[in-house]
Amino acid sequence: NAGVTQTPKFQVLKTGQSMTLQCAQDMNHEYMSWYRQDPGMGLRLIHYSVGAGITDQGEVPNGYNVSRSTTEDFPLRLLSAAPSQTSVYFCASSFSSGRARETQYFGPGTRLLVL
Amino acid sequence: AQKITQTQPGMFVQEKEAVTLDCTYDTSDPSYGLFWYKQPSSGEMIFLIYQGSYDQQNATEGRYSLNFQKARKSANLVISASQLGDSAMYFCAMREESLSNQFYFGTGTSLTVIP
Repeated sequence: NAGVTQTPKFQVLKTGQSMTLQCAQDMNHEYMSWYRQDPGMGLRLIHYSVGAGITDQGEVPNGYNVSRSTTEDFPLRLLSAAPSQTSVYFCASSFSSGRARETQYFGPGTRLLVL
Repeated sequence: AQKITQTQPGMFVQEKEAVTLDCTYDTSDPSYGLFWYKQPSSGEMIFLIYQGSYDQQNATEGRYSLNFQKARKSANLVISASQLGDSAMYFCAMREESLSNQFYFGTGTSLTVIP
């Protein structure tokens, strides 16, 4: 069981470039989410998904796109990178979102620097 | 309004002493879950403990316990017999069962254990 995996671990982008952060889980979790972590801000939800084909926006969705074509994968796309998107990005997954007791399992994170 | 509030940006505790990290929450959902996560300097997010809104007893997991006061909407984490390895960021989070499909995180508390 690999759990939640994220690639890449580190990435440097120039302003205006696009890229995709990959996230995969092998636990058959319905619920997947993307967070960004900035100093003093905690984790802020970007987008989330409650199952294949279903996604919704979180607190800070601007500049990011997601899709969920399979249960396992939930990629995050940066359309045109900006320095304000420099952050650490975490992907997380859990069992059904209708069960409040289900904790999330986090990936190791991706450190992104936008110059 | 903030869903999760952690008012202690930083805390210090002497090794072997107990420490309480504060967390208050805001929800109108009668069914919700409260979680604490630890983030060491290596960056991964580690699940520590869970408390359900209908649980009659405070949750305990080894040296971690959750002081759940429902009427006051607080869910403080108590770490007993602190160890040097407890030095980390600690995040409180909440999941609402019916009102939304999201986890809400606080801004975190940085705990330093002094030898």
